[in-house]
Formats: sequence, structure tokens, C-alpha cells
Amino acid sequence: SYDLTQPSSVSVSPGQTAKITCSGDFLTRKYARWFQHKPGQAPVLLILRDTERPSGIPDRFSGSASGATVTLTISGAQVEDEAVYYCYAPADNNRVFGGGTTLTVL
Amino acid sequence: QVQLVESGGGVVQPGRSLSLSCVASGFNFRDYGMFWVRQAPGKGLEWVALISYDGSQRYYVDSLRGRFTVSRDNSKNSLYLQVNTLRPDDTAVYYCAIDGGERWGRGTLVVVSS
Repeated sequence: SYDLTQPSSVSVSPGQTAKITCSGDFLTRKYARWFQHKPGQAPVLLILRDTERPSGIPDRFSGSASGATVTLTISGAQVEDEAVYYCYAPADNNRVFGGGTTLTVL
Repeated sequence: QVQLVESGGGVVQPGRSLSLSCVASGFNFRDYGMFWVRQAPGKGLEWVALISYDGSQRYYVDSLRGRFTVSRDNSKNSLYLQVNTLRPDDTAVYYCAIDGGERWGRGTLVVVSS
């Protein structure tokens, strides 16, 4: 099956490092992406191909991968980083999103 | 710059149909696959449908196949989603995006209610 599992929530204090994991068997053969989604806004692509950051994305956002798990790391989280974060991967003729992780920075 | 603008949402009664549109600008629309994603109230993002750059291939999430139809008109830089036999659980914001999510629209809200 093509499921991606994320924790429902992560909390950090401003300036701390937040890590959000995403697990799925098919991630061993497919690259993952990460999106940031704030209420009322369009989702924003943060990471592609597990670790690559598109131009314009702050370098405090980084991605890593190990086996069937990918991780989004936000180094020095800021209050403005509060959002829901989704992992995503293509799966043959489907596209799969993780359930989303709400990041609280307070 | 790249822009995707959805339209066609609104309040619709259960059992009725609705057609959503997405107009693209700022990039070569005909070169890109596109998809629709929805977000129900209080829920996460759900991929709905995918169409290839030329419209020859179309794919749907299993749970919606048969009621949803994705199409495109490259001459009009437009993407469409036809939704039939609407149900209350189809209530969601519907987003169009370039396949892979490099760019998204801001979404259009569909409310299915009597």
C-alpha cells in the first residue's frame, strides 16, 4: 500500500530545532517532497528529491532520508514557521500525501 | 510569474454536479502534468486526480474514481475537474497545482449542503 505516516503534531520553542518524520515503505524507491501549508494560503514546496531546497526557501529548512523514512528539519524554528507540514511522494500513477504534522512554535 | 487561479466553487446540493476550473499563466502550461488536491475542513491534503501534459493519461484516487473527471484545454491554459453526484463529504477547498506541487493555486471552496 502507498501510505505515508507522520506525527500529528510537533512543538518547539523559538530558536530550537524541529524534526518532522515521514515513513512509508515505498520511500525506499521514490523521492519525497515536503510542503508547508498555512491557513488560507496555497501550500509551498520546501524540499524536493528528499534533500533539495528550491530557490527562495530559507536554508533553515533541510531534508534527509534514511531507508523508508524521510525527515524535515527546521533549524532555529521561528514563530512564522507555525504551519502544517506534509510529506508527499509519487506512487506509480498515484500521488500520496502524508497526514500532515502541525508545528507549534511557542 | 507563475499563477494558477481556481474558480467554480460554491454551495451545491447533494446529488448535483459541479465543474471547477483552473487558469494557468506565467509558464508553458502544455508542457506540464497537473493535479487536483482537496482539503476537507479540519483534514489534511488529499490528492484527487492527475492529468498528463497532453491529457492522454488521467489518474484518480481510488475512492473517487467514477464520480470525478479531470480534463484540460491547452489552447486555453485551463484545467478542469468535473464532479458528479456530490456528497456532503466532498465539501473541501479544491486546489490545482503543477504535478509535483512546484506551484499551487489558492483554491476554491466547495460546500455540499441542502
